[in-house]
Amino acid sequence: EADIYQTPRYLVIGTGKKITLECSQTMGHDKMYWYQQDPGMELHLIHYSYGVNSTEKGDLSSESTVSRIRTEHFPLTLESARPSHTSQYLCASSVTGSSYNSPLHFGNGTRLTVT
Amino acid sequence: KQEVTQIPAALSVPEGENLVLNCSFTDSAIYNLQWFRQDPGKGLTSLLLIQSSQREQTSGRLNASLDKSSGRSTLYIAASQPGDSATYLCAVRRNSGGSNYKLTFGKGTLLTVNP
Repeated sequence: EADIYQTPRYLVIGTGKKITLECSQTMGHDKMYWYQQDPGMELHLIHYSYGVNSTEKGDLSSESTVSRIRTEHFPLTLESARPSHTSQYLCASSVTGSSYNSPLHFGNGTRLTVT
Repeated sequence: KQEVTQIPAALSVPEGENLVLNCSFTDSAIYNLQWFRQDPGKGLTSLLLIQSSQREQTSGRLNASLDKSSGRSTLYIAASQPGDSATYLCAVRRNSGGSNYKLTFGKGTLLTVNP
């Protein structure tokens, strides 16, 4: 059972609206990630955080922003949603420590549709 | 730039059959390789993680191998069951200093096990 939670699971919203996708984990992981996935395509990293108040942009350019004020919480915000933002957004975390030999834990994702 | 390719894109087998999924990557300088499972509309579940110094990892009916020099990994599933039906994704983590957190994913193999 995943200990990383994403809300909402599905979101249909009109163009121009501001939205926040929530992600929380209860495992105390330092590292958290946001990935974007389109049907049949690879996951692409859009944001990464290695701890509180530390975030970086990923490989895929995104108009979204993130914040990491608390270890367990890593919300993603779109100030003005557009149809091109329609996608599945997956949040993940990995265990504390300097080693990267730890698996990622994923939430169930938020499927966003912008009309 | 690291590229990850998974073959075949889709596979359908009868229940009880042993099967192999393939993953290849272009840059052999990897830190580790992970295999994930994704059920429809859900997030990813980590199955196996192979460190760059390892040759294989086993978990139950699953066995993953890694040949770093040739840029290949295989996921072997023994005695397949209908519950194994899912998309299987391969991801490699870079071994490049500060970018070690970045995973590059393949597009996945959609596996269907028929009763």
